[in-house]
Amino acid sequence: GDSVTQMEGPVTLSEEAFLTINCTYTATGYPSLFWYVQYPGEGLQLLLKATKADDKGSNKGFEATYRKETTSFHLEKGSVQVSDSAVYFCALSDEVQGAQKLVFGQGTRLTINP
Amino acid sequence: EAQVTQNPRYLITVTGKKLTVTCSQNMNHEYMSWYRQDPGLGLRQIYYSMNVEVTDKGDVPEGYKVSRKEKRNFPLILESPSPNQTSLYFCASSPRYSSGNTIYFGEGSWLTVV
Repeated sequence: GDSVTQMEGPVTLSEEAFLTINCTYTATGYPSLFWYVQYPGEGLQLLLKATKADDKGSNKGFEATYRKETTSFHLEKGSVQVSDSAVYFCALSDEVQGAQKLVFGQGTRLTINP
Repeated sequence: EAQVTQNPRYLITVTGKKLTVTCSQNMNHEYMSWYRQDPGLGLRQIYYSMNVEVTDKGDVPEGYKVSRKEKRNFPLILESPSPNQTSLYFCASSPRYSSGNTIYFGEGSWLTVV
């Protein structure tokens, strides 16, 4: 079945550092790919998405490119801020028996120190 | 404001005492689902509904029931809660199926079963 694997956390960086959170997937169809973010005490919010190969999703300085050849969707940000501290989830969306199914990675906790 | 609303947000209950977590969305979405979030496991789908009176099992349905009598509501029922159902629960909704659709999440319900 479909699956998503994220880099293990937690990740701790200093403010203004470069961020990469790795995400790879396996899927039988042609999934859409998402990054969701969960700030402390809150629900999940969509950060960015890409619906087909070579698409780049971007939002709030974060970027991720849908790489079909490497089955990856790595999240990057050039200069992180303390306010980026959160848990980040990579997910894929595919059709299973006519229904949309989201499959999540295990999440990566990111802490940014001032 | 478009939102998915869950209640209660926090609950401590005892083993075997039936409880219901309500979920309501105001976006006229056809698709709704429930997830549970556990450390190291990401989010796993419990049940989903593609429309009124149409529900189906997700990956971890054991011990849960759902109903979809109205389009906006999708309650999660724990008939006889057990400690292994202690978790953070999320309700989610999205428009009619498309793998690229954004799924909107509620703020989560922390459930502890003692």
